[in-house]
Amino acid sequence: GIQVEQSPPDLILQEGANSTLRCNFSDSVNNLQWFHQNPWGQLINLFYIPSGTKQNGRLSATTVATERYSLLYISSSQTTDSGVYFCAALNQAGTALIFGKGTTLSVSS
Amino acid sequence: NAGVMQNPRHLVRRRGQEARLRCSPMKGHSHVYWYRQLPEEGLKFMVYLQKENIIDESGMPKERFSAEFPKEGPSILRIQQVVRGDSAAYFCASSPGQSFLYEQYFGPGTRLTVT
Repeated sequence: GIQVEQSPPDLILQEGANSTLRCNFSDSVNNLQWFHQNPWGQLINLFYIPSGTKQNGRLSATTVATERYSLLYISSSQTTDSGVYFCAALNQAGTALIFGKGTTLSVSS
Repeated sequence: NAGVMQNPRHLVRRRGQEARLRCSPMKGHSHVYWYRQLPEEGLKFMVYLQKENIIDESGMPKERFSAEFPKEGPSILRIQQVVRGDSAAYFCASSPGQSFLYEQYFGPGTRLTVT
């Protein structure tokens, strides 16, 4: 089945810094999503982005489906951005999201 | 439009008891997915259901676990005779149609602790 790998596993930033998180997937996908799991454990939908580029405030994402990767950009990071960022790709059967292991982001003031 | 709702948010069970986790999808969503997040592990798919049908249960443990999504009411994930290894966060997601075309929206999760 499809494999999803995220890098880096951990990221420590000062408030105001920018960052790029990467997600590689092993096969073509019809659905790719980015999530933020906050310190309370809730999963927040960030982007649904099987291809192309989207922006939402300080966050943006780009998926290059032909090269099997997606990037999540966080600009001017804030302490509230801390948490774990997951990307997930839909399996070939279209029945399940396959999650990467996540990138743990810590933003300090 | 309310999001995906899960209850209870926290559940404590003793070994051998039964756990019932409930999930109400977003309004207009008829596709429900259950995922489990074990401590120090990522999120793993368990089961995908549509109303009255289990579509894919390839991620469900073979024993003690079952899921349903009846015509009326919430989806239920049932764990019989819980063991300590069942302690985890269980997330439900929903979508209005097949995930080839629609994103999945996640609920806040149920944190199950087995003592």
